[in-house]
Amino acid sequence: DAKTTQPTSMDCAEGRAANLPCNHSTISGNEYVYWYRQIHSQGPQYIIHGLKNNETNEMASLIITEDRKSSTLILPHATLRDTAVYYCIVRVAYNQGGKLIFGQGTELSVKP
Amino acid sequence: SAVISQKPSRDICQRGTSLTIQCQVDSQVTMMFWYRQQPGQSLTLIATANQGSEATYESGFVIDKFPISRPNLTFSTLTVSNMSPEDSSIYLCSVGAGLGTEAFFGQGTRLTVV
Repeated sequence: DAKTTQPTSMDCAEGRAANLPCNHSTISGNEYVYWYRQIHSQGPQYIIHGLKNNETNEMASLIITEDRKSSTLILPHATLRDTAVYYCIVRVAYNQGGKLIFGQGTELSVKP
Repeated sequence: SAVISQKPSRDICQRGTSLTIQCQVDSQVTMMFWYRQQPGQSLTLIATANQGSEATYESGFVIDKFPISRPNLTFSTLTVSNMSPEDSSIYLCSVGAGLGTEAFFGQGTRLTVV
């Protein structure tokens, strides 16, 4: 699976958009980009995933560059409850049934 | 979606002993995964458990230390054997999903070895 690079930490003001970048320059054509987050002491929570096109759901938007070498997770109106570690993961769709290899992630702090 | 229950949620164990962690899923799944999260660190995959076959371990993890059972399509156990304080971690169970869909995680077992 392709390796990802994320900033170690970021701050965001409450109510503002949080934009979390991820570099995956070695991504292959059949690898999806997944985002998970982990709030302190809880199991990871799925946020969103995409292959080529931008995606949006009730939690966030995922913007993938045309060359697919980087992506940005957007939380449109961050709240204090969005404070968490955010993981960007790329994996082959049928990689052993869903095995995920986690990097170090970005620790997002949403401040009042 | 899948709901995953792990037991115990936390435990404090003496060094040299073993602990078995249970993972129950509310639906049948082919693959189950076990992760370790050491204090302040990211998640590290220990092994993949496929029903009816031996688990596949990642580099750095061995069956003697982390034996895994997978007796059916909804249940798995991970045993942490001959524990030392370095084994103090959160252990998480996960189930994968199909093409292009999400994986699900249990809430983890917080293990402290004293």
